[in-house]
Amino acid sequence: QVQLKESGPGLVQPSETLSLTCTVSGFSLTSYSVSWVRQPSGKGPEWMGRMWYDGDTAYNSALKSRLSISRDTSKNQVFLKMNSLQTDDTGTYYCTRDIYYYDGYYHYVMDAWGQGASVTVSS
Amino acid sequence: DIQMTQTPSSMPASLGERVTISCRASQGISNYLNWYQQKPDGTIKPLIYYTSNLQSGVPSRFSGSGSGTDYSLTISSLEPEDFAMYYCQQYDSSPNTFGAGTKLELK
Repeated sequence: QVQLKESGPGLVQPSETLSLTCTVSGFSLTSYSVSWVRQPSGKGPEWMGRMWYDGDTAYNSALKSRLSISRDTSKNQVFLKMNSLQTDDTGTYYCTRDIYYYDGYYHYVMDAWGQGASVTVSS
Repeated sequence: DIQMTQTPSSMPASLGERVTISCRASQGISNYLNWYQQKPDGTIKPLIYYTSNLQSGVPSRFSGSGSGTDYSLTISSLEPEDFAMYYCQQYDSSPNTFGAGTKLELK
């Protein structure tokens, strides 16, 4: 059974660094990519970045200067670090498993989501 | 970035009703469009990929269509568990982007 679970502090001070962990089970991080997605309250999701199955990373250009994604395959964990947090970084942070279907073209779906981790940026 | 606009933002509907949710991209996305459902507890799951393909396990009352910049999700006969938020997502170009959502509410 595919599962993802986010963990981390619920409260972060402005200007500080957010650190979140996504622990996965039921699949291998060397076979599937994992994305981080965040969702401000009452708004649509925003893709933040991705840890590819081969260890490469991709970032949303809007966040790239503040964001770092890494992993520990031995622990089945993917990590997110984002610095210089502000109040508009408040929201729910999800990790997702990314899958690709191929029929001559690649089709991309986030086929499994964690339960989400609520993060509040406040002093 | 490609902007995704969903309409309506909320939709009251009744059990058994047929409903359609719309999603418009700021530029053509060549059918690279997915739909997701979010329940009130925050749980998110994929419904449809590549405009009209049902994700495994999704009931056949869900369907998708569209082309170019305009896409839609239709639920043929609403069940109690369908009252939720729905989001479209384009993956034609990076960053993939989501709409702001449509809340399907019980009338």
